This record gives sequence, structure tokens and C-alpha cells, in this order.
Amino acid sequence: KQEVTQIPAALSVPEGENLVLNCSFTDSAIYNLQWFRQDPGKGLTSLLLIQSSQREQTSGRLNASLDKSSGRSTLYIAASQPGDSATYLCAVKVQGAQKLVFGQGTRLTINP
Amino acid sequence: KAGVTQTPRYLIKTRGQQVTLSCSPISGHRSVSWYQQTPGQGLQFLFEYFSETQRNKGNFPGRFSGRQFSNSRSEMNVSTLELGDSALYLCASSLAGNANTEAFFGQGTRLTVV
Repeated sequence: KQEVTQIPAALSVPEGENLVLNCSFTDSAIYNLQWFRQDPGKGLTSLLLIQSSQREQTSGRLNASLDKSSGRSTLYIAASQPGDSATYLCAVKVQGAQKLVFGQGTRLTINP
Repeated sequence: KAGVTQTPRYLIKTRGQQVTLSCSPISGHRSVSWYQQTPGQGLQFLFEYFSETQRNKGNFPGRFSGRQFSNSRSEMNVSTLELGDSALYLCASSLAGNANTEAFFGQGTRLTVV
């Protein structure tokens, strides 16, 4: 059974810092990994999608890496801003099943 | 291009009632998935539909059901509501439902059972 873990559960940093969020998964049989952002009471916004054959993806100040063999992904946020405050979720698409398995998320707070 | 639309946004129901939630996917998307989000369990997969067929189902009781119409719109139904069904219900759509497509989520329906 695929399990996804995100560490830390919460993170608070001052504005302008670079930071890394971590995601690990137990089964390397995945199609892809997706990072999402969720604001309180809202839906999920897709940030980055990494296919299983890729090592990383970049979008603006965000960079996500994937090491499928070790079951790890990281989301790097450069020059953090207060508007980056949200919960960040990673999810893997399980091979053989049309579903995403989510981690519990990292609640990020950027202090002005 | 319109995103994924879920209606209604908020619902309050009484225990024992039933409820129907609706999801309109992004135009051209044929796969629709449903997830339940609660503070204790996080996001859990309910079911996935593609071309009006349910292809996968999560570990939820039979009170949770769904369907997809020929225009790809989907509904989920929960019968005999329990207090524990209070949650944010999220719908996701993807282009073709195959392995490597990106999932896009709606804003969710907040269901409160009293």
C-alpha cells in the first residue's frame, strides 16, 4: 500500500528565505508526482507535475525534484514571500490505479 | 478557459438525509475523480470516472456513490448521512485519464452534517 509522508508538518520562516519542503513515498511504482498548494478552505492549485522519468521541474521561483528510486521529492521555494503562505501537498499517481495518494501536507507561514 | 466547477460550495444537512454534489470538469477533460478531505484523515480517494464508467473506487461504504454523464459532468451522492461525513469534497479532472496527465481540482463543496 502506497504511503506518502511530508516533513515538516509546519514551517515558519521570515520573508526572503529560500526553503525546502520534503515528500517521501514508500512504493516507487508511480506514474508521476504532483505538488499542490491549498489556501484555507479552498481547493487545490497544481504547482508542478513531475513524470516518473523526469528528475526535476521548474516554474518561476519553484523547483521540484524527484528521486524515484529512493522514494523522495523536494519542493524548493526561492525568495519566499508572504503570499506563499499556504499548505503544500504532494501526491503520487499510483501505477495500476487511476488515483492520487496524498501526503498530510506542510503548513507554510512566511513572516513579513 | 474555465476551471473545474463544483456546486454547491456549501451545504448543511441533517443526519440521515442524503446529498448530491456536482462537478463540471474542464472542457475536453474526460476523467473525473472525487476526494474527501478531513482534518484527521487528510485527502482520501473516493472514486474515478472516465467516459461514464467507474474505473476505480476507494475504501468508502456503499452509501457513497457517483456517476458520470455523457458530457463528462459528474455527481456524487451520499445517502443516510452521518456526522463523520462532514468534510470538504473535492473533484479533480484530467484530460484523458491516462497515466501521465495532470490533475486539476475544483474549489470543493463544504458539507456539514448536523
